[in-house]
Amino acid sequence: GENVEQHPSTLSVQEGDSAVIKCTYSDSASNYFPWYKQELGKGPQLIIDIRSNVGEKKDQRIAVTLNKTAKHFSLHITETQPEDSAVYFCAASIEGTGTALIFGKGTTLSVSS
Amino acid sequence: DSGVTQTPKHLITATGQRVTLRCSPRSGDLSVYWYQQSLDQGLQFLIQYYNGEERAKGNILERFSAQQFPDLHSELNLSSLELGDSALYFCASSATAGQGWMTEAFFGQGTRLTVV
Repeated sequence: GENVEQHPSTLSVQEGDSAVIKCTYSDSASNYFPWYKQELGKGPQLIIDIRSNVGEKKDQRIAVTLNKTAKHFSLHITETQPEDSAVYFCAASIEGTGTALIFGKGTTLSVSS
Repeated sequence: DSGVTQTPKHLITATGQRVTLRCSPRSGDLSVYWYQQSLDQGLQFLIQYYNGEERAKGNILERFSAQQFPDLHSELNLSSLELGDSALYFCASSATAGQGWMTEAFFGQGTRLTVV
């Protein structure tokens, strides 16, 4: 079945450093790739997304890249801050459903000051 | 605040019982999605409704069912509960469910179900 793999599972950085999280997906029909941030006790919050007709998208300190040929997509956070500490999930759309998603297992990002 | 409302926030019940979780989507959103989040399985898609009709099924057990009402709120019914059903259950909503075009999905705060 469809699968999304996410690495690393944990990531510790110093404040001001960059953080990169990588995902691969299996279903070539997936064409929408959102990233969610989940803080303790809260629901996942959409932080950025990318569609299959775009290779890169940036929003302030956050950027996402997509390589459809290799079925890879990545999240880049620059100038990390302690408030970036959370669990980050990548996801890929399920064909024909609108926005039903298959999620990666998550990356716990810790930013120390 | 995502605009998606889930009730109750917490639910504790015994094995074999039945519970109903409720979700109100963002204003104007026609699609509702249910997800289960557990430590071992992560976030798993259960089922999708669009404008009252079932649109897609994921890893939903036969003991679980859902529906979407004319006012677009949705309910997830979990029956014959087992200890392994303890998890966070999230509802998400999006504007459309059309094939070939995706709109952002926004999640509620979840319902934490504990089966004892």
